[in-house]
Amino acid sequence: NAGVTQTPKFQVLKTGQSMTLQCAQDMNHNSMYWYRQDPGMGLRLIYYSASEGTTDKGEVPNGYNVSRLNKREFSLRLESAAPSQTSVYFCASSGDRFSTDTQYFGPGTRLTVL
Amino acid sequence: DAKTTQPNSMESNEEEPVHLPCNHSTISGTDYIHWYRQLPSQGPEYVIHGLTSNVNNRMASLAIAEDRKSSTLILHRATLRDAAVYYCILRRHNDMRFGAGTRLTVKP
Repeated sequence: NAGVTQTPKFQVLKTGQSMTLQCAQDMNHNSMYWYRQDPGMGLRLIYYSASEGTTDKGEVPNGYNVSRLNKREFSLRLESAAPSQTSVYFCASSGDRFSTDTQYFGPGTRLTVL
Repeated sequence: DAKTTQPNSMESNEEEPVHLPCNHSTISGTDYIHWYRQLPSQGPEYVIHGLTSNVNNRMASLAIAEDRKSSTLILHRATLRDAAVYYCILRRHNDMRFGAGTRLTVKP
């Protein structure tokens, strides 16, 4: 049981390049989330998917797109990377989107945009 | 949006209890109080949550004030492995807003 896995672990991009961050969970969870964490700060929600086939914006969605490929996988795409998107990106999943549900986090992807 | 206020940092000695405070004076009746912690270079992990009553689990205890405007996470015997940033979060469905948290240092 791997839990939540993320690829890649590290990535360096040049301004304007695009890339996709991959996330997968093996816990049969309905809900999945993408967060970013800037140095010295807490996590901020970018997008979430309450269930397969649905996605919704979070607190900081600008500059990102997401795809809920199937129940297991939720990807985050940067179409034209900017230095302000330098951050650590965390994917999470939970059984459902209820207030009592525990979110399980992946190990993170450290992204640097030059 | 309901917000939480936590001290930036706290220190504890190993094997002593630790009380991590959190103020949330604008909490609404449907907000659950969640605590997560983040060890160095890892993603956050769930610690405990509650609504109105005090809660205990194998990791910690959560004491919630009667008016729900504050809560305290209690680690009964801190170990070096408990050194982390602890986040107090008010959660309503998908809305889980992380603040800057409290960095706990545990001294041997």
